[in-house]
Amino acid sequence: EAGVTQSPTHLIKTRGQQATLRCSPISGHTSVYWYQQALGLGLQFLLWYDEGEERNRGNFPPRFSGRQFPNYSSELNVNALELEDSALYLCASSFWQQENTEAFFGQGTRLTVV
Amino acid sequence: GESVGLHLPTLSVQEGDNSIINCAYSNSASDYFIWYKQESGKGPQFIIDIRSNMDKRQGQRVTVLLNKTVKHLSLQIAATQPGDSAVYFCAENRPGFQKLVFGTGTRLLVSP
Repeated sequence: EAGVTQSPTHLIKTRGQQATLRCSPISGHTSVYWYQQALGLGLQFLLWYDEGEERNRGNFPPRFSGRQFPNYSSELNVNALELEDSALYLCASSFWQQENTEAFFGQGTRLTVV
Repeated sequence: GESVGLHLPTLSVQEGDNSIINCAYSNSASDYFIWYKQESGKGPQFIIDIRSNMDKRQGQRVTVLLNKTVKHLSLQIAATQPGDSAVYFCAENRPGFQKLVFGTGTRLLVSP
């Protein structure tokens, strides 16, 4: 069974540009979570999608947005990129309707803003 | 609250020692806890979980202890090996929020 897949693995953008990151959850999982991990730091919660709807978002500006498609895959969009947006962006999926289940992570997209 | 962007604390141990990594969680309503291991350049991987109706759970070389009174979680790794070197995160399931809230993480360095 395929795990959580993210694309691209690396992305280089210039300041002010937009970045789009993609995530395909494990088959059968309806929830997708996005986290930002700056180099050497912890995981900062960004967004949670379930059944196509945004369920919660972390303390990030509106230029961080996303969506979840009918097939439960998800996109994270970052507009007006800033240098501080350089980080590893991790996607995780779980089956939210099943209580107390772990989330499975992808390998991440390394975004570098220059 | 949510995990914050603090620099990771580091625990350095010798190969063969037992390691104990600690985590304080924030919400007394949290009912499910997970430890993840993140190796360099990879996404976090599940190690072990524990539900709030338990105080202790053992896996292969790992034990998780839960103290709900002081909202404290620990991960014990027996006979630590160089391959255990990684960043370890605890996560709590906070009902009604998002499913998992992560702690700040601890970097474990194992010397041969």
